[in-house]
Amino acid sequence: TQLLEQSPQFLSIQEGENLTVYCNSSSVFSSLQWYRQEPGEGPVLLVTVVTGGEVKKLKRLTFQFGDARKDSSLHITAAQPGDTGLYLCAGNNYGQNFVFGPGTRLSVLP
Amino acid sequence: DTGVSQDPRHKITKRGQNVTFRCDPISEHNRLYWYRQTLGQGPEFLTYFQNEAQLEKSRLLSDRFSAERPKGSFSTLEIQRTEQGDSAMYLCASRGHERIHEQFFGPGTRLTVL
Repeated sequence: TQLLEQSPQFLSIQEGENLTVYCNSSSVFSSLQWYRQEPGEGPVLLVTVVTGGEVKKLKRLTFQFGDARKDSSLHITAAQPGDTGLYLCAGNNYGQNFVFGPGTRLSVLP
Repeated sequence: DTGVSQDPRHKITKRGQNVTFRCDPISEHNRLYWYRQTLGQGPEFLTYFQNEAQLEKSRLLSDRFSAERPKGSFSTLEIQRTEQGDSAMYLCASRGHERIHEQFFGPGTRLTVL
């Protein structure tokens, strides 16, 4: 069974701070996705990383896929209250079913 | 709006009743996934379809759960004889032919079993 762990589970920071959240597994995935989910809504896809060592940037968000394709990180620069939400990572193997981590709940205080 | 839609958004039912949820995927997406999400957890995979064929079912999907996608477009998820432990958010997602690593979620159906 493939499992994904995420850390930290909860994170509360002040507006303007930087943060990094992590997604780890003992299994190799062909791709990893990051989502943000707000209360009462479905997850919204932020990015997909496919190549080991790949780095993708989305405005103030930087995503990295580990060289061995077992882990990933999400770094947010100068966090804003609008970044508040549940950040989920999901692993996938060549389009089969997706395995989700438990999420990191981020709160950015103004 | 061409995103994934789900109906209803909220459902409150009494224990023992049957409920059915509907998901309309993004047009022409061949893969459709159902997930269940409880408070404080990530989505848990339940089942997925490729066109009308149900290709995989999780062990979480007990005999009281059944899903269909009769014409390869919309899908329904039925829960029979609901139990309080079935209370959760039920999420649907779809995926296209080409971007196989990406799935797009609907807003979910929040089920509360009293």
